[in-house]
Amino acid sequence: GAVVSQHPSWVICKSGTSVKIECRSLDFQATTMFWYRQFPKQSLMLMATSNEGSKATYEQGVEKDKFLINHASLTLSTLTVTSAHPEDSSFYICSARRDGYEQYFGPGTRLTVT
Amino acid sequence: QQQVKQSPQSLIVQKGGISIINCAYENTAFDYFPWYQQFPGKGPALLIAIRPDVSEKKEGRFTISFNKSAKQFSLHIMDSQPGDSATYFCAAKAGATNKLIFGTGTLLAVQP
Repeated sequence: GAVVSQHPSWVICKSGTSVKIECRSLDFQATTMFWYRQFPKQSLMLMATSNEGSKATYEQGVEKDKFLINHASLTLSTLTVTSAHPEDSSFYICSARRDGYEQYFGPGTRLTVT
Repeated sequence: QQQVKQSPQSLIVQKGGISIINCAYENTAFDYFPWYQQFPGKGPALLIAIRPDVSEKKEGRFTISFNKSAKQFSLHIMDSQPGDSATYFCAAKAGATNKLIFGTGTLLAVQP
């Protein structure tokens, strides 16, 4: 299967700072990338969908000014959590897909805001 | 109508037994039904997927059974092993959209 990587795998930041998470499709060009959030023992919640070169589409209730998504190329998408607060602590998972193919998930990034 | 209902929430199976997880949906536009396996601290991995033009798909010890009229599909894990202990998510997607709708997850524990 296709490989999707995320960096970093875990990050601790202080409240009020911003943190950037990278998502890369390593062996294919992803026309669409997705960002999910997962709380402990819960399902995946889709935050936003992005296509290369265009603005991300955010799900209802997700603050687009807080969770900045950039899909600069067919192999890279970034999620920046701005002015992070403890309630933003979560497991963030990206996913990538090319048209007509399966959706593959990254290994996730554990964010802890202190 | 966009929900996918998954049961049970947790499941304990003896080694060698059969694990069965069920999902139900309402949206008849769904045309792709994958199952994902997730280990703690890891991202979900695609296990097996089915489209509604077939009633069953088998890959190794994993089988999806699909009942279009009942709008239900299930995952069967034959000869369950301790290494299968993980959380399993069903999902569904309508062809016209990009979005996967996930079930609530089932925590499977296979006892040795």
